[in-house]
Amino acid sequence: QVQLVESGGGVVQSGGSLRLSCAVSGFTFSSYAMHWVRQAPGKGLEWLAFIRYDGSNKYYADSVKGRFTISRDNSKNTLYLQMNSLRPEDTAVYYCAGGWSDYYYYMDVWGKGTTVTVSS
Amino acid sequence: EIVLTQSPGTLSLSPGERATLSCRASQSVSSAYLAWYQQKPGQAPRLLIYGASSRATGIPDRFSGSESGTDFTLTISRLEPEDFAVYYCQQYGSSPWTFGQGTTVEIK
Repeated sequence: QVQLVESGGGVVQSGGSLRLSCAVSGFTFSSYAMHWVRQAPGKGLEWLAFIRYDGSNKYYADSVKGRFTISRDNSKNTLYLQMNSLRPEDTAVYYCAGGWSDYYYYMDVWGKGTTVTVSS
Repeated sequence: EIVLTQSPGTLSLSPGERATLSCRASQSVSSAYLAWYQQKPGQAPRLLIYGASSRATGIPDRFSGSESGTDFTLTISRLEPEDFAVYYCQQYGSSPWTFGQGTTVEIK
């Protein structure tokens, strides 16, 4: 059974840091490209970051470039998002998502999300 | 950045009716790089369609996707009660990957 379980969310003050994790089971994590996507309260989906199956390529949305870092540990079947210099506008539910294709980077597996609240 | 504009913002329909959702790209997007997702309240998104017209695993055949130039369409042939949700299109042809703002399909 495919499972992606995010953790590490919580309440943090503006300027603070958090590290999100996404523990994966039920599929070959090391073959999957992975993403982080967020959803602010009452808003739509916003793609944040991408990492190729082997970690060789990473891309970021302008809104988080230089503040957030995506990484993965294929030996631990875990995806990470290090978030620094957090702002109130980073308040959202954060989802990890992945896809099996190394060419077509749609997202066919999703976690349930973890909530990050940044207070001012 | 490719901007995806979805219309309408809200679609009010009855079960059994046909739903037609549109997604327009600000620049060319190959049909191979367009997906549709469904999201219900309190749940994660679920992949419905990839490559503009290919159904994901387990998706009923009442869901179909098509494209015409920079315009993409998601059609739900006969709405079931469980289909009332928010639908997002997404392009994955180039970074940054982008989503449309969503279309809400609500019960009339």
